[in-house]
Amino acid sequence: AQSVTQLGSHVSVSEGALVLLRCNYSSSVPPYLFWYVQYPNQGLQLLLKYTSAATLVKGINGFEAEFKKSETSFHLTKPSAHMSDAAEYFCAAGLGGGGNKLTFGTGTQLKVEL
Amino acid sequence: NAGVMQNPRHLVRRRGQEARLRCSPMKGHSHVYWYRQLPEEGLKFMVYLQKENIIDESGMPKERFSAEFPKEGPSILRIQQVVRGDSAAYFCASSPRNFGTGGSGANVLTFGAGSRLTVL
Repeated sequence: AQSVTQLGSHVSVSEGALVLLRCNYSSSVPPYLFWYVQYPNQGLQLLLKYTSAATLVKGINGFEAEFKKSETSFHLTKPSAHMSDAAEYFCAAGLGGGGNKLTFGTGTQLKVEL
Repeated sequence: NAGVMQNPRHLVRRRGQEARLRCSPMKGHSHVYWYRQLPEEGLKFMVYLQKENIIDESGMPKERFSAEFPKEGPSILRIQQVVRGDSAAYFCASSPRNFGTGGSGANVLTFGAGSRLTVL
């Protein structure tokens, strides 16, 4: 069975500091991987996705993630945090070939402090 | 160009009542997915539907929950005889086609803003 683990349910960074949100997956085959962001009382918005093309994926709002098969990881980074980045971030994995359902991690709440 | 529309955004029910949550997918999308987000948890897959067909309901509780996506109109998630444990945010997502059926091979799900059910 596929699972997604996000280390750290809460991450706090200073404005301008590096953002690093961790995500590891377990799957017998490399899945499709996604990062979603959820602002309060809103739905999920796609940040970026990995689909077996380039291992370094660039997304919106300056975020990027690197797929590392050897580490089964897909960590999300942003060089410089902004106050508007404060939100909850979800890593998700989906299998191709009919695997329509995404498996989500439990989420990481990012807090950005002045 | 409306996205995925869900209503109601907030619903309060007493134990034993019925809850109906509606989802209109994005224009041109024929695949609908329902997810549930319990407090302090990630989203859990419930059901995947295409028009008039349930494709995968492996995440649906065996009792009291049902879903449909009729030929005309929105998809509906129905919860009968609600209990406090049903209190959660229910998200609908849509996509134009299945994963792995060509193109980029990974279709992105577009999520609605969710329906928050509170059971008193």
